[in-house]
Amino acid sequence: QVQLQESGPGLVKPSQTLSLTCTVSGGPINSGDYYWSWVRQSAGKGLEWIGRIYTSGITSYNPSLKSRVTVSVDTSKNQFSLRLTSVTAADTAVYYCAREGNWFAFDYWGQGTLVTASS
Amino acid sequence: DYVMTQSPLSLPVTPGEPASISCRSSQSLLHNNGFNYLAWYLQKPGQSPQLLIYLGSHRASGIPDRFSGSGSGTDFTLTISRVEAEDVGIYYCMQGLQSPYTFGQGTKLAIK
Repeated sequence: QVQLQESGPGLVKPSQTLSLTCTVSGGPINSGDYYWSWVRQSAGKGLEWIGRIYTSGITSYNPSLKSRVTVSVDTSKNQFSLRLTSVTAADTAVYYCAREGNWFAFDYWGQGTLVTASS
Repeated sequence: DYVMTQSPLSLPVTPGEPASISCRSSQSLLHNNGFNYLAWYLQKPGQSPQLLIYLGSHRASGIPDRFSGSGSGTDFTLTISRVEAEDVGIYYCMQGLQSPYTFGQGTKLAIK
């Protein structure tokens, strides 16, 4: 059974960088034909897809965040990560990591982690 | 971006009764392979979203057969044949055809 777990600071100061890691268990992150994504949920904007990575390193980002987002993967640790620079209060949200299965849908999700951008 | 519009936004239902949620996309989700790249999720209170339906009408693993998805192109429907108390939560549709993936605003199902 695949499981995903987000980790990282719950509080980030405005203008600083948000960094989160998703640890995948239940199988190698580079087995199968999967993309690994970040999705966030805020009261104001609902569910928003941030970006994804394939284990080859190929990435795709939401154009609304592209200038500030980096998603990376570390297959040796079975993890993938999110960096979001220059955060503002608008980036306050619950951040989820998720696996995109073979059918262009997210079949496994982490439990989510609340990140608050505040001084 | 593809805009996903759900209705209704709030849905009170009596247990044992059917329920339907509509999702409309601003552009067709029909791929030239014949599949519609539309998924449905349920977010139960305090939990992460869980996949219910993928490719418009295919139930995900472990999802009861009282859940069904239908539609094609721009108009889709999630139907629960007989609502149970455990079905409460917020239902979302999502398009996976074109990046960036986009979600509907959610439909909150509550028990009367």
